[in-house]
Order: sequence, then structure tokens, then C-alpha cells
Amino acid sequence: QVQLVQSGAEVKKPGASVKVSCKASGYTFTRYGITWVRQAPGQGLEWMGWISAYNGKTNYAQKFQGRVNMVTDTSTSTSYMELTSLTSDDTAVYYCARDSSATTVTWGDYWGQGTLVTVSS
Amino acid sequence: DIVMTQSPDSLAVSLGERATINCKSSRSVLYSSDNKNYLAWYQQKPGQPPKLLIYWASTRESGVPDRFSGSGSGTDFTLTISSLQAEDVAVYYCQQAYSTPTFGQGTKVEIK
Repeated sequence: QVQLVQSGAEVKKPGASVKVSCKASGYTFTRYGITWVRQAPGQGLEWMGWISAYNGKTNYAQKFQGRVNMVTDTSTSTSYMELTSLTSDDTAVYYCARDSSATTVTWGDYWGQGTLVTVSS
Repeated sequence: DIVMTQSPDSLAVSLGERATINCKSSRSVLYSSDNKNYLAWYQQKPGQPPKLLIYWASTRESGVPDRFSGSGSGTDFTLTISSLQAEDVAVYYCQQAYSTPTFGQGTKVEIK
């Protein structure tokens, strides 16, 4: 069965960076994309970006351009999302999701369990 | 960015009754080259990740009960739960993928 397992909770200080991993199993990794979405406490969903596991092409939300980097490791079927220059506004649960397409951004059909990132001094 | 606006923000429906959630996009999400609406609906229960319910505006994801249906085209879309069950209590989000994806603000569905 399709599973996405994310790394554990993180606590970071303002100005630091965080790297969240998302290990996929149960499907051919390179036939899909990976989307990253975050959710601040008590708030709605915010789309951050997408990476094709097929060719590494990325598409980032303008809000995160220059501060986010998404990569995939096809040898381990793992995607990584790194966010730099953290502020308290980045405190959120970060989700990865399998995107139904490897060539263009669509929607997440399977989701990881989420990773809580807390930014606090 | 395309702005997605859902209405209402919350609604309370009796068990077995119909629940209707609307989603309006600031620009059309109908892609003329394939005549598909790049619009999806998700359900999110407390403490859980979102679950994909509907994509292409009206295609039900595998395993989703048929009481959930999506309709609409262009800029106006609707998610309907034909007979609300207790397990449907959740927040529902629409999401467009016509351009850089954006979500609606969410609609909370409760039991009356």
C-alpha cells in the first residue's frame, strides 16, 4: 500500500533552517510528484511547492521562493524539503503528499502524517 | 495568484440531510486544451492529514463514498454530501491547480 512517512518533530530557533524528509513506499516513486503543504496552528492549508520525482523539476509558491528547496533521492524514494531563515510565522505542521502527476502540479492523493516544526527562541 | 473563496465558513446539518459547500475562484480554472477543471476537494479531520475526495471538479477518488459529489465549471464549484453521516464531521477545502496551487479557507461541517 502507498505510504509516505515523514521525519519527526523539530524545534528551531529563529534564523535557523529545517529539513523535513518524506519517505515513500508502495509505488513507483519516479512516476509521480511530491507536493509540500503546511498548516499553521488552527489555520488552513498553504501550498508550498512541488517536485517531480521523475526529473527533479520544481515549482515553488512565490511566497517561499529563495527560502525553500525541495529535492528527491530516487535511490531511497525520499523527498526532502528545506526551509531557511525561519521565523515564528513558520511554526506549522508540514505535510508531504504524493502528487498524481510526475510532469505537472495537480493534487495530493496520498499524504504523510505531518511534521510539526516549532520556531521559538 | 488565483484566490479561492469558500462559503459558508461553517455549517451545521442534521444527520441524513444534505450539506452543500461552495467554492469560487477569482479566475477560471477550466483548461481549454483538455476541457478539464483543475479543481480538487479535500476532507480534513482533526489531527489528521487532508484526504483527497474529488478531483477534476467531479471525479470521485477511489474508495470515497458516493454520497460525496462535486460539480461546477469555470469559476464556481460545489461539494455536496447527499446524506450527512457522523463521520463526515470535518473541515473541507477546495484547491485549484490551474496555476500555482491555492486552497480555499476551509468550511467546517458539524452536526446540528
